[in-house]
Parts: sequence; structure tokens; C-alpha cells
Amino acid sequence: QQQVKQSPQSLIVQKGGISIINCAYENTAFDYFPWYQQFPGKGPALLIAIRPDVSEKKEGRFTISFNKSAKQFSLHIMDSQPGDSATYFCAASSDNYGQNFVFGPGTRLSVLP
Amino acid sequence: DAGVTQSPTHLIKTRGQQVTLRCSPKSGHDTVSWYQQALGQGPQFIFQYYEEEERQRGNFPDRFSGHQFPNYSSELNVNALLLGDSALYLCASGDPTGTGTAGELFFGEGSRLTVL
Repeated sequence: QQQVKQSPQSLIVQKGGISIINCAYENTAFDYFPWYQQFPGKGPALLIAIRPDVSEKKEGRFTISFNKSAKQFSLHIMDSQPGDSATYFCAASSDNYGQNFVFGPGTRLSVLP
Repeated sequence: DAGVTQSPTHLIKTRGQQVTLRCSPKSGHDTVSWYQQALGQGPQFIFQYYEEEERQRGNFPDRFSGHQFPNYSSELNVNALLLGDSALYLCASGDPTGTGTAGELFFGEGSRLTVL
């Protein structure tokens, strides 16, 4: 019940295309859903996050779509750029869990020039 | 404004040895967490420290222990190292909200531990 599932495992997109990564969770106590970006040799960095009171949040080229009834959320990267090539992790937590975040297994994104 | 800093960046140990990793949180943060990231996997929560006490713990054995100092810096200790302990160990800090209110975690670049 604590698991967060993520797909696809890897993704190749042409420059300018749309990258879509999907996640699903089981624990209905989760109420905070961030996406992290990690480059090789670096720690994860927060991209964008959403709470269940909204169905969509957009920041620049990055959009989270959230479906509370289906317990699913996704990251859309518009106009994908080679600099977006990294590993992306979805995560879930709750105000009651403090810094105990449950991470998905990651998606390795490659954007071809 | 310094972010989360960790040391050492890389280290090699042999089975059965003990290791200590160190972390300084982002300025203004008082809560520190440790995560283990095995190769090709997402980070896994080890434990969280606030007010020099372990507040939450993930599914890790007692060989993993920690400490938080009055200046909010933290150490992760792993005893009786196993081959499976080879991983990137990440330290994270968050806004000064103690154990409540999930919010942005700021990660360091990690300490890469190799156990031979």
C-alpha cells in the first residue's frame, strides 16, 4: 500500500515533443505529490508538486495532471529539450509523514536533438 | 545560501566494516532525513531527525543509526556493512516545520558508498 508505481521505465522523445510519465498510488492518506528531476551524479531536485485539491498544475513547460478517483498522476513536459534528459521520479507523502516520501522507481528520459 | 552539503562524496569499504556519513542541512532548515538510493532505483526513506531525535523510520535494520547535532547537522552510521549496502546515500532537509506538513525536500548530491 506504500508503493508508488511509475511508467514507463525509459522514454525517448524528439526535441520539441511532449514527454509523458505516469504514476499510480494506493495509499489514500497521501496528499502531496511532487516530481523530482535527477541528473547523473547529482541529488534529486524538485520540479513541480501538487496537492489533491486541484486537478492540474502548470509551471512553465511542466504540467502535473492529477486524478484523485483513479489515484493516478502524471507529468507532462511540453516542447521537450535535450537539457531535459534526466531521470524523473514521482513521489508521494502526507502531512502526517513529515519527510517520509515514497518514491517511484524512476523514468529515464532521453530527448534527441 | 549554501544548500545541503554531504561528505564524503565517495568511499569504499569492505564487508563487516562501519561507515559514518555527514550532512549539513540547507540554511534555515532544522529537519534532516536520510535516503538510500540503489543503482537504477528511486530513493528509499531511512529516517528523519528533528530536535536531535529520530522522529520517523523507514524499513531499515538497526544497523542503520543516526544522530543530529544542536547545529542541525546530522550523521548516518551503518554498522556491519553488507554488499547490499552499496548505494548513493542522500541527505535531505526541509522547511522548519518539524515532523508535520509535507513540503519541498532539498537534497544533497549524496555520498556514494561501495562495499567490497
